[in-house]
Amino acid sequence: DVKVTQSSRYLVKRTGEKVFLECVQDMDHENMFWYRQDPGLGLRLIYFSYDVKMKEKGDIPEGYSVSREKKERFSLILESASTNQTSMYLCASSRPGGGYEQYFGPGTRLTVT
Amino acid sequence: RKEVEQDPGPFNVPEGATVAFNCTYSNSASQSFFWYRQDCRKEPKLLMSVYSSGNEDGRFTAQLNRASQYISLLIRDSKLSDSATYLCVVNTMDSSYKLIFGSGTRLLVRP
Repeated sequence: DVKVTQSSRYLVKRTGEKVFLECVQDMDHENMFWYRQDPGLGLRLIYFSYDVKMKEKGDIPEGYSVSREKKERFSLILESASTNQTSMYLCASSRPGGGYEQYFGPGTRLTVT
Repeated sequence: RKEVEQDPGPFNVPEGATVAFNCTYSNSASQSFFWYRQDCRKEPKLLMSVYSSGNEDGRFTAQLNRASQYISLLIRDSKLSDSATYLCVVNTMDSSYKLIFGSGTRLLVRP
């Protein structure tokens, strides 16, 4: 079974703090993704990576950066957290290439106060 | 127009009922289609892929209509445990790594 883990289930941070969200997958997947999910808006892609040290912007990259130093780990960084970044953050991974199903981690519910 | 559109519901049905959801997509060049299930406060999980010829997995049947650009999911003999949000998912051709998720259709199965 594919296993995707995320460092925290719940996180509370203050406005302006730097926030790190970590994601690890154990299936040797090349592709990894970060989404946020908000009521009524569905899942929106923030960034994705198709190889170590490679990254591409998704649909809403503003205010975020990512790091992929190892194949199994993909980090999402909020450089200066703001209240509008309060959301559920979901990491996913998939096989190399395009169009394959993605496997999700349990999510991190981030609250920025 | 959204790339993937679904009726948000909720669909409220009794146990044992048959229920069907439709989803429309805008990109005629899309090649991969999926249904995901998401329970409250949980992550989305793959329910089934959708193939051109249609496919069935137990009580669940998925169909693809390329001409009309819609995907359907049929659930027969609904169980209480089927209560969840069902997400329609399509890949994009501008960047084939990406999947586009619909906002989901909520299903409530009552005793």
